[in-house]
Amino acid sequence: EPEVTQTPSHQVTQMGQEVILRCVPISNHLYFYWYRQILGQKVEFLVSFYNNEISEKSEIFDDQFSVERPDGSNFTLKIRSTKLEDSAMYFCASSARQPQGTQHFGDGTRLSIL
Amino acid sequence: GEDVEQSLFLSVREGDSSVINCTYTDSSSTYLYWYKQEPGAGLQLLTYIFSNMDMKQDQRLTVLLNKKDKHLSLRIADTQTGDSAIYFCAVTSGSARQLTFGSGTQLTVLP
Repeated sequence: EPEVTQTPSHQVTQMGQEVILRCVPISNHLYFYWYRQILGQKVEFLVSFYNNEISEKSEIFDDQFSVERPDGSNFTLKIRSTKLEDSAMYFCASSARQPQGTQHFGDGTRLSIL
Repeated sequence: GEDVEQSLFLSVREGDSSVINCTYTDSSSTYLYWYKQEPGAGLQLLTYIFSNMDMKQDQRLTVLLNKKDKHLSLRIADTQTGDSAIYFCAVTSGSARQLTFGSGTQLTVLP
């Protein structure tokens, strides 16, 4: 069964550094998402992306965050200047064309900011 | 905005049925999902229900939706030790695609 893949599985970064989290969505999917889960808290929506632009974003997704689909397969989340509170598990998801298509998630990247 | 709540823990005996409950606040919720998370793994989609349905059955899984009470439940028949995991309820509202998640219910299956 096709799946969403995320790399790396664990990223350790110094505070203030830039970090890029990578995702390969399911190949025929058109909608892409990032969520995060801070330890002990709920999974929170960050951003959705369709047709090469952001379609929805939450209050969490401020100017420090950006997303990109640099080629036909990858979908990336960049955090420009990481803060301690960015430490979390980051999940990528993708869904197909149909309205409210079900979202399929990757295994996540655990981001640790030191 | 939408708020989704779940109880945090549930323990059952192997072979019994498990019922995991979820409540939500937005009456315009359109799709309601159940995801499973095993240790160290991502969120695995189990099943979903559209808001114009009351019930959906998929093998050992039964989803019940009470729109009046804004209550969603997931019943797992003949629960096995391999069902031990965290179960998340998630909903979309209106035309938005973003998922709003509950806090997850840790299901422990005792032998």
